[in-house]
Amino acid sequence: GAGVSQSPRYKVTKRGQDVTLRCDPISSHATLYWYQQALGQGPEFLTYFNYEAQPDKSGLPSDRFSAERPEGSISTLTIQRTEQRDSAMYRCASSPTAGAQETQYFGPGTRLLVL
Amino acid sequence: AQTVTQSQPEMSVQEAETVTLSCTYDTSESDYYLFWYKQPPSRQMILVIRQEAYKQQNATENRFSVNFQKAAKSFSLKISDSQLGDAAMYFCAYRSSSGGGADGLTFGKGTHLIIQP
Repeated sequence: GAGVSQSPRYKVTKRGQDVTLRCDPISSHATLYWYQQALGQGPEFLTYFNYEAQPDKSGLPSDRFSAERPEGSISTLTIQRTEQRDSAMYRCASSPTAGAQETQYFGPGTRLLVL
Repeated sequence: AQTVTQSQPEMSVQEAETVTLSCTYDTSESDYYLFWYKQPPSRQMILVIRQEAYKQQNATENRFSVNFQKAAKSFSLKISDSQLGDAAMYFCAYRSSSGGGADGLTFGKGTHLIIQP
């Protein structure tokens, strides 16, 4: 596609519910990143995929967070048993390769509010 | 672990004037990349400018330029001829050249830039 898209743009959920966020990267991009941005902070790296492989999960805050990219294109981020502290903007970015020199192109984000 | 510090939570400048946003970082690596991203009220994240640490020449993109001081671990952004559309949060970011993508970007907390008409 022309750019990175994310859905939904806004999600309000109750504490304890599971939520799934979706990211559709730029179609030619091999690498996809997930970030969490709390209010008033910069984004924090969560995890990334190179095609369908997920080499690094160490940035995920807890085992309630998981991500998938089964066919190497669209990715989902799932938060189980949501807690109020999970409220944040969740950003997805993609780049042509995993090389450090590559620019990461960000999507519009999903704003999650846990009540 | 690398850290990025933006010491100015907010800056204000008159339209058409020049403003400089500060960024310092801490790393033990010699090769890395630095970025400035802009986040306007729409909440998009837009790349403004990037700098490779191995290049001594400061990067420039139209009205945007950086002052990269590697020894001081400083990476400031200068915006010339400020325009109303420049109003946004500006984030400085660091990326290691090693790790093949594993580190992602490390961001500062951001500077809120206000443009006074």
